[in-house]
Amino acid sequence: GQNIDQPTEMTATEGAIVQINCTYQTSGFNGLFWYQQHAGEAPTFLSYNVLDGLEEKGRFSSFLSRSKGYSYLLLKELQMKDSASYLCAALTGANNLFFGTGTRLTVIP
Amino acid sequence: GAGVSQSPRYKVAKRGQDVALRCDPISGHVSLFWYQQALGQGPEFLTYFQNEAQLDKSGLPSDRFFAERPEGSVSTLKIQRTQQEDSAVYLCASSLPPPNTEAFFGQGTRLTVV
Repeated sequence: GQNIDQPTEMTATEGAIVQINCTYQTSGFNGLFWYQQHAGEAPTFLSYNVLDGLEEKGRFSSFLSRSKGYSYLLLKELQMKDSASYLCAALTGANNLFFGTGTRLTVIP
Repeated sequence: GAGVSQSPRYKVAKRGQDVALRCDPISGHVSLFWYQQALGQGPEFLTYFQNEAQLDKSGLPSDRFFAERPEGSVSTLKIQRTQQEDSAVYLCASSLPPPNTEAFFGQGTRLTVV
C-alpha cells in the first residue's frame, strides 16, 4: 500500500519561515507534489520534485530526498493569505497520485 | 474546456438514493483521478483511469461505488444506495502523460446524504 505522512497542523507568524515535512512510502516512485488548498476550494499545484534537491519558486521552495523518502515545503516571508492546507502527494510507479492528509497552516499576525 | 469541470457542484440525496457525479477533464488529458475528501482531511484516492482503462479501483470503499470513462474523456462516478457516510466532497483531477504529470483539479461535487 501507499503511506504518506505529514503533520496535521502548524502555526507560524506573519513574515516568518515555516517548513512542512512529508515522508512517503509507495509502490514505485515517479515524483512528489505539493498542493495548496484553501477551505472550500480545489487544490492548486505548487511544486513537483522528481530528482533529489531543492526547487525554488519565489517564496516557496520544495526539497526531495528519494533515498530517505522525504520531502519538505518551505514557505518564506509568510503572509496571512498563506493560511491554507498544504497537501503532499506522491506519484507511484504506475503514475497514480496519492495524497497525505494535509497540513493545516495558520498564519498569525 | 479551460479547466476540469465537475457537475453538479452540490447534490443532496436521500439515504438509499442513487447518484451520478460527472467529470469533464481537460481536453487531451490521459489520466483521470477521483478522490473523496471529508471535511478537514486530505483527498482520499478512489480510482484512476488512463484513457478508458480503469487501472486502479482499490480506493472505492464498497461495491456501491462504480466509476466509468467509456470513451476516455468524460467520467462518471456512481454511488448506489447512498449512506450518510458517503457525504463528502468528490474531487476529480486530470493530467497529461508523464513527464507532464501535474494534476489539475475540478471544483468538486459536495454530496450531502440526508
